[in-house]
Amino acid sequence: NAGVMQNPRHLVRRRGQEARLRCSPMKGHSHVYWYRQLPEEGLKFMVYLQKENIIDESGMPKERFSAEFPKEGPSILRIQQVVRGDSAAYFCASSPSAGLETQYFGPGTRLLVL
Amino acid sequence: AQSVAQPEDQVNVAEGNPLTVKCTYSVSGNPYLFWYVQYPNRGLQFLLKYITGDNLVKGSYGFEAEFNKSQTSFHLKKPSALVSDSALYFCAVRDKNDYKLSFGAGTTVTVRA
Repeated sequence: NAGVMQNPRHLVRRRGQEARLRCSPMKGHSHVYWYRQLPEEGLKFMVYLQKENIIDESGMPKERFSAEFPKEGPSILRIQQVVRGDSAAYFCASSPSAGLETQYFGPGTRLLVL
Repeated sequence: AQSVAQPEDQVNVAEGNPLTVKCTYSVSGNPYLFWYVQYPNRGLQFLLKYITGDNLVKGSYGFEAEFNKSQTSFHLKKPSALVSDSALYFCAVRDKNDYKLSFGAGTTVTVRA
């Protein structure tokens, strides 16, 4: 059973470009969570999605950031008009449900904005 | 609100010695507590969790953690550390009725041969 997959693993963008980060949850998992890890800090919650629904986006910046988890395909975290402060590691986690379940994390996407 | 504190940025131990990584938490309801380990340029790997039941929880790679409600702590322990245990360790908490994990800032463990 493959774990959580994320791609790309590394992404370099210039200021003003768009970044698209993809996450494929573990097989059988329908709940996806995105977290951001800034240098020297722990992970911070961004958004929680189930298939075709955003459940909680309270941790996501109001502007430039969006997330989706379509019926078919991976979850996408999209950052428009990136700025240097967006440079971070973005981790996706998945779980089969949102109750007692452990969240299993992917390898992360390391975004560098030049 | 929920939060986690990992009071030590770094822990250094000799191989074969006991390893302890400290974690205290704050949560309004019943806590669900987790430990994850992160190797360089890798994702977080789940080590163990406390949901309910026995206060001593055993996890992967010989790690264990003890839930102490009165001290609001969930320290990670390993009786005999290995060089390969050198990594960044994160403690995380969520409220029973929530799904968002709150992470500590992490503790870098270095085990010297």
